[in-house]
Amino acid sequence: GAGVSQSPSNKVTEKGKDVELRCDPISGHTALYWYRQSLGQGLEFLIYFQGNSAPDKSGLPSDRFSAERTGGSVSTLTIQRTQQEDSAVYLCASSLNFRGGYTFGSGTRLTVV
Amino acid sequence: KQEVTQIPAALSVPEGENLVLNCSFTDSAIYNLQWFRQDPGKGLTSLLLIQSSQREQTSGRLNASLDKSSGRSTLYIAASQPGDSATYLCAVRRAETSGSRLTFGEGTQLTVNP
Repeated sequence: GAGVSQSPSNKVTEKGKDVELRCDPISGHTALYWYRQSLGQGLEFLIYFQGNSAPDKSGLPSDRFSAERTGGSVSTLTIQRTQQEDSAVYLCASSLNFRGGYTFGSGTRLTVV
Repeated sequence: KQEVTQIPAALSVPEGENLVLNCSFTDSAIYNLQWFRQDPGKGLTSLLLIQSSQREQTSGRLNASLDKSSGRSTLYIAASQPGDSATYLCAVRRAETSGSRLTFGEGTQLTVNP
């Protein structure tokens, strides 16, 4: 597609439920990143996929968070047993390769009640 | 560990003024530096990408410079307009053979008053 697409744009969930966030990167971009931005905070790196290499998961805050990227394209970020502190905007970005500039999606605003 | 600092944290100017946003980073081993804008409740829009071998990039009223050796970048906005009001973020990409993440500054919140 022309840009990075994220869905849903907004998600409200009850504490303890699992959620899945989807990211569809720009076609042909080999690198894909997940960040999150809590209210009034900076961007926090979560995970990075580059081609067929093992993902860099060093930013995932706990084992409740996981992500996969199928077929080198679409990525899903899963948060299990959501907590209120998980409320944030989750942003996905892709780049042509590991040296290129980032293009961000519009984000998914997650609210845990 | 790379640290990125943006000064000022907030800036309010009258329409038409030229302005400069500053970004500094502690580790000069970077691939590139990217400036973004973020409107409230929105994602990030890329403004300019400067590769480590470049000194500046220009797009319309925007000009970004990079001095890698001193760890500094500036974003110059000419003839500011109310539509320029947003948070401006600077981010650097570390030079690693296996690929790397962006490290972001905290941003400069710009308000351009009509």
